Amino acid sequence: EAQVTQNPRYLITVTGKKLTVTCSQNMNHEYMSWYRQDPGLGLRQIYYSMNVEVTDKGDVPEGYKVSRKEKRNFPLILESPSPNQTSLYFCASSLDPLGTGRFTEAFFGQGTRLTVV
Amino acid sequence: LAKTTQPISMDSYEGQEVNITCSHNNIATNDYITWYQQFPSQGPRFIIQGYKTKVTNEVASLFIPADRKSSTLSLPRVSLSDTAVYYCLVGRNTGGFKTIFGAGTRLFVKA
Repeated sequence: EAQVTQNPRYLITVTGKKLTVTCSQNMNHEYMSWYRQDPGLGLRQIYYSMNVEVTDKGDVPEGYKVSRKEKRNFPLILESPSPNQTSLYFCASSLDPLGTGRFTEAFFGQGTRLTVV
Repeated sequence: LAKTTQPISMDSYEGQEVNITCSHNNIATNDYITWYQQFPSQGPRFIIQGYKTKVTNEVASLFIPADRKSSTLSLPRVSLSDTAVYYCLVGRNTGGFKTIFGAGTRLFVKA
């Protein structure tokens, strides 16, 4: 079954304690990305990756890091989380960037609800 | 990425046909139009994609006029479970490969 798996689904942490949210896909997709969703602000892209070792900033990259050492995995790292990073996070993968042409069906993970206190 | 404009919200009743229109005046020649559906606390789900004229699948239809400056997602005979946010995405950011979701249209289906 084609899927994107995020872990954990829920996380409560304290300010400044480094954390990693994992994302894995089993579809051999090249394009992966992270989004955060906040009430009234919709989905905003944090980082994206075109392929292994190729990553770039989305619209709201401050306070986040990513890595793409393997094609299937794209972890999101918060080196020093702050309360303003409390949000619902989604990882997505697709054959090519969303909206750029054919084969742009993206598969999203179940989401990670992060609370930073 | 071509800027898109959609209504913020729409209400409907079960069994009705719902049409959600998206404006994308600066769509480029090679851009496709893609619609996603999102339920609360879930990731968006692909609904349909098109380039011109009409596309239909088991879930929805997508109507695109000749000038491609707008598109209309049509949901036939909606049910309560169609209550969700619907996003229209168009094209590619010429400065990179960012993806920008607009605010979407919140559809509320009533019994």
